[in-house]
Amino acid sequence: DGGITQSPKYLFRKEGQNVTLSCEQNLNHDAMYWYRQDPGQGLRLIYYSQIVNDFQKGDIAEGYSVSREKKESFPLTVTSAQKNPTAFYLCASSAGTGGFEQYFGPGTRLTVT
Amino acid sequence: KNEVEQSPQNLTAQEGEFITINCSYSVGISALHWLQQHPGGGIVSLFMLSSGKKKHGRLIATINIQEKHSSLHITASHPRDSAVYICAVEKTSGSRLTFGEGTQLTVNP
Repeated sequence: DGGITQSPKYLFRKEGQNVTLSCEQNLNHDAMYWYRQDPGQGLRLIYYSQIVNDFQKGDIAEGYSVSREKKESFPLTVTSAQKNPTAFYLCASSAGTGGFEQYFGPGTRLTVT
Repeated sequence: KNEVEQSPQNLTAQEGEFITINCSYSVGISALHWLQQHPGGGIVSLFMLSSGKKKHGRLIATINIQEKHSSLHITASHPRDSAVYICAVEKTSGSRLTFGEGTQLTVNP
């Protein structure tokens, strides 16, 4: 089946550790996105990539890093510089940017203590 | 003030009721999306529209570009419709989505 997978579903880390969240899609989509969701707030864009080997900062990129070495993969690293990393992280993809439906992964809930 | 505002924030209905969720935005847009987030966190796209009206099963989405307003209607609501419904807009200045805070819908049997 085509879709987007994120792993793991739940992730626990100690403060000060970097952690990498996985996002893989087999939809042959060019564009991929990382969003953060906090209680009572709308989704906020962390990073996005319109094409392989290219990515841009979103609205809340500080403390995060990404790579896009393969079309199907867009991993997100939450670094120790991110002040409030505990959140629900969603990955999405679309065939292009501008007027395309976005398809979302199941999300990863990260808890940092 | 958020660029995308949804109302109500929370909505409780009885099974069978007609439901309306509203979305107002303050920016120029090229498209508006309605999304559904299930209790487990997964999000599915319901509609993408730039004018008029779209219908899929018991769901209807309308948009009025002049009034910068969209509505999502659910006819004959069912407990399985219980979810968070999210409005998001693509601004004409760029292709990124800007999201509303969501409407939590609970449909009781």
